[in-house]
This record gives sequence, structure tokens and C-alpha cells, in this order.
Amino acid sequence: DGGITQSPKYLFRKEGQNVTLSCEQNLNHDAMYWYRQDPGQGLRLIYYSQIVNDFQKGDIAEGYSVSREKKESFPLTVTSAQKNPTAFYLCASSIGKGTQYFGPGTRLLVL
Amino acid sequence: GIQVEQSPPDLILQEGANSTLRCNFSDSVNNLQWFHQNPWGQLINLFYIPSGTKQNGRLSATTVATERYSLLYISSSQTTDSGVYFCAVDQGGGADGLTFGKGTHLIIQP
Repeated sequence: DGGITQSPKYLFRKEGQNVTLSCEQNLNHDAMYWYRQDPGQGLRLIYYSQIVNDFQKGDIAEGYSVSREKKESFPLTVTSAQKNPTAFYLCASSIGKGTQYFGPGTRLLVL
Repeated sequence: GIQVEQSPPDLILQEGANSTLRCNFSDSVNNLQWFHQNPWGQLINLFYIPSGTKQNGRLSATTVATERYSLLYISSSQTTDSGVYFCAVDQGGGADGLTFGKGTHLIIQP
């Protein structure tokens, strides 16, 4: 099946800990994105990547880092510098500027 | 940056009713998409519609780019239409990511 997978579905972070969220796509899309959603709000862009080995900061990149070593993978690390990490994280991909397709999301909770 | 406003924020309707959701944006856009977020959080693509009109079954959308708004029409609503509907736009020339509105929370009662 073609699509976007995110893991884990739920993730718990302890104080001072870095955690990494996985995003994989087998759609052969060049562009990939990470968004954050807080309760009752729309999505906000964290990072995006238009091509392998290149990525750009979005509107709320502070406290996050990414890598794009392979076309199909775009992992997001939530660092200890992110003081309010509890949120729903969504990954998406697209062919250029076309329709963005979203994964099922990861819910991150702070212990 | 560009502002995206959706209205109404909440809408409660009986099954079978029709509805119109509105999205206003503050500047010209190259990309506009409508999404439905189901109760499990999955975002489902409805339309890619930077301009013009499209229809897909009971749903249709119209974007008037020169007047900076888009409308999503849902006819003969069903309980499965419940959820949050988002409008999202992109201004850039490349694949730059979307700016989302805060959504319209739609509840369809049986």
C-alpha cells in the first residue's frame, strides 16, 4: 500500500529528554513537512524539506530538529529546548507544490 | 505572514441539511486546500483548489482568488461528515508548507 506512516502513535517524554518521531513515505514524493497541532487549533509548520539533504525552518522551528538523508524519510527530533512539547504532530508529503497528503500523526505527552 | 480566517467556528446541523463553510485569506495564494479531520485526528484531503470550482459527490468547493475567499459546500449532510474542516493556503513559488485556518467544527446530529 502506498502512503505515509508515522510512529509511534503515542510517545511520552521525560523532563530534559530528546525524543524522535518517525515519518516514512513510499509515494516517491520529493517534499516532506512537519506540523504541530494544539487542542482546538489549526496546524502550524515546524520544518519542511523540498529535496533530500535540504530542509528549511517553518514558523515554529525553535526546539526542534530534522534530517533528510533519504527521500522517503523525514524524522523530527523534539529537543529538551522545546519547553511545551505536548501536542499532536503530523507529517505530510507532496509532489512539488501539489496536494499535501498527511500521515496519521503522533501524540506526544510530557511526563 | 498571510492570515487565514474560517467561519463559522462551530456549526451544528441535523442530518440531511446543507451547509456552507467559508475561508478568507489576506493575500494572493498559489495553493489552497480543504481538509476534513476525523475524530481520530487523520487529515483527509477534500480539494486542491487555488481557483475555480470543483465537485466530488456531495461536496463542492469554489475559490474566488481575486476576492481572496473560498467556500466549501456540503449537501445532504450525514453523521459521518462530523469533524473539523480546515482551509490551508500557500503563497510561495516552491513547496513551502501550508498556513492553516483554525477550522470549522461541524456536528451533524441524527
